[in-house]
Amino acid sequence: GAGVSQSPSNKVTEKGKDVELRCDPISGHTALYWYRQSLGQGLEFLIYFQGNSAPDKSGLPSDRFSAERTGGSVSTLTIQRTQQEDSAVYLCASSLGYSFFLHFGNGTRLTVT
Amino acid sequence: SQQGEEDPQALSIQEGENATMNCSYKTSINNLQWYRQNSGRGLVHLILIRSNEREKHSGRLRVTLDTSKKSSSLLITASRAADTASYFCATALSGGGADGLTFGKGTHLIIQP
Repeated sequence: GAGVSQSPSNKVTEKGKDVELRCDPISGHTALYWYRQSLGQGLEFLIYFQGNSAPDKSGLPSDRFSAERTGGSVSTLTIQRTQQEDSAVYLCASSLGYSFFLHFGNGTRLTVT
Repeated sequence: SQQGEEDPQALSIQEGENATMNCSYKTSINNLQWYRQNSGRGLVHLILIRSNEREKHSGRLRVTLDTSKKSSSLLITASRAADTASYFCATALSGGGADGLTFGKGTHLIIQP
């Protein structure tokens, strides 16, 4: 079956512009995660959804970052007024629930010029 | 804060040798998971070990868990060039999923042919 799909795979944007990153999880997976990975670094946890709700949004780096999930399926991560330090690979993952292992998408590589 | 920390940060061995990576964590866990990441791709789940398990095998992989020391190790036996990748541990906390699965910074493994 289909895995986790992320779009776009690559995004180049100018500093100050807004960007939207999309994640289509595996059908039936109630948990959805967003992570950020800078070059050669580990994964920085951003936000976790159980269904449509996010129990904890404190992982989001600043108030320029927001995320939503609708219908218990697709999720969108929005970054407003992008900065160069936002450049990274943004990874989405889904699972059957918390503590189950994660299925990752291939990520969106964001470059802010 | 970083929950899982892998050690070493980088490891280079000859093909056919065994590779051992370690992971330490700080708080009580429900389970610990190991993932592999090939360059530029999403992470792939390798193995999950629950807090009441001490050892688990999957093919050439062997994972141990010592909850008293809050540490885990991943052993890859008879390494192959295709095992070259970054390896991450992730912990699912006992208290629930509000913080998501937390990942370490990874061990970059290079298998020399």
